[in-house]
Amino acid sequence: AQSVTQLDSQVPVFEEAPVELRCNYSSSVSVYLFWYVQYPNQGLQLLLKYLSGSTLVKGINGFEAEFNKSQTSFHLRKPSVHISDTAEYFCAVSDLNDMRFGAGTRLTVKP
Amino acid sequence: NAGVTQTPKFQVLKTGQSMTLQCAQDMNHNSMYWYRQDPGMGLRLIYYSASEGTTDKGEVPNGYNVSRLNKREFSLRLESAAPSQTSVYFCASSEEGPGALLYGYTFGSGTRLTVV
Repeated sequence: AQSVTQLDSQVPVFEEAPVELRCNYSSSVSVYLFWYVQYPNQGLQLLLKYLSGSTLVKGINGFEAEFNKSQTSFHLRKPSVHISDTAEYFCAVSDLNDMRFGAGTRLTVKP
Repeated sequence: NAGVTQTPKFQVLKTGQSMTLQCAQDMNHNSMYWYRQDPGMGLRLIYYSASEGTTDKGEVPNGYNVSRLNKREFSLRLESAAPSQTSVYFCASSEEGPGALLYGYTFGSGTRLTVV
């Protein structure tokens, strides 16, 4: 079965700084990877996904992620964060039959 | 643009009490899911329904039952609540099956349940 490990539970960063949220996965079959964002008191929203093709995928709100098969990683990046990016971010992996979520990374953007 | 609607938003139960969490989606999605979210553990699948009339267990089904009432509604029942079931519960739906590749899942805003 596939699984996801998010390497940082909390990431504090100052406004306008770059950020990287790390995600590693394990799977014995082809994988499809996702990042979701959860703003306070809301459900999760799809941020971006990797299904196939280019390993660099772009999502909403200026986020992007790079699929690295050799390192089994799918790290999320943003070159310059805003206060409004403060949220919890979840990496997820699908094998067509099941979607597994990581434990989440809480991103806090400070002024 | 309602999407996925969950009720109630908050609930406090005493140990041993029962309750049903309601979920409805208006997107004509085939598949629906119940997750629980606990600190440091992310989201864990309780039950899912790949299509109307079917339900299957997820990772953590013990202590829960579900009903797919029709295509729109998928309820989660706690027959005898325990403190270990204190959690935030999310309902989700997807146009595709449980892998949900193209469009991902649409989530409700959650039910915060405390069992004392």
